[in-house]
Amino acid sequence: NAGVTQTPKFRVLKTGQSMTLLCAQDMNHEYMYWYRQDPGMGLRLIHYSVGEGTTAKGEVPDGYNVSRLKKQNFLLGLESAAPSQTSVYFCASSYHVLLPNYEQYFGPGTRLTVT
Amino acid sequence: GDSVTQMEGPVTLSEEACLTINCTYTATGYPSLFWYVQYPGEGLQLLLKATKADDKGSNKGFEATYRKETTSFHLEKGSVQVSDSAVYFCALIPSGGSNYKLTFGKGTLLTVNP
Repeated sequence: NAGVTQTPKFRVLKTGQSMTLLCAQDMNHEYMYWYRQDPGMGLRLIHYSVGEGTTAKGEVPDGYNVSRLKKQNFLLGLESAAPSQTSVYFCASSYHVLLPNYEQYFGPGTRLTVT
Repeated sequence: GDSVTQMEGPVTLSEEACLTINCTYTATGYPSLFWYVQYPGEGLQLLLKATKADDKGSNKGFEATYRKETTSFHLEKGSVQVSDSAVYFCALIPSGGSNYKLTFGKGTLLTVNP
């Protein structure tokens, strides 16, 4: 049981390049989330999904797109990277929020630098 | 909107000292409250949680009590260890089930020296 995994762990991009971050979970969770973590800002939600084929915007969605074609995977895309997107990105997954065992399980993170 | 305020760090303690990290929240109704911990180079993991007023969450020697009257969920430990060095995040999720977003505080860095 690997939990939540993220690929890649590190990446350096030049301004204007594109990339996709992959998140996978093997816990059969319905919900999946993408956060970014910046110094002094805590975690901010970028996009989330409440089921296969669904996505929704979080607090800071601009410049990012997501897709959830399979229940176990949640992809985060940067179409044209900007230095302001330099951050550590975390994926998380969970059961339904009303269930007593609700908690969000986090992946190990992807450190992205945009130069 | 909902918000979480944590005491600002960093906090530096000696081994076996007592720890309190303050957390207060603003939310309507009865949110569920969480403490997450992030060890260096890792993702966040749930430390403890409480889902209703007066509940006490506990794990690994850490405790926090859901205080509705003071809208607080302070994290405490009686004797910290070097291995407790990490960033601690307080978080909430609103009641009702219609909002899936965890609202996090900004985190408190704890360093425990031997």
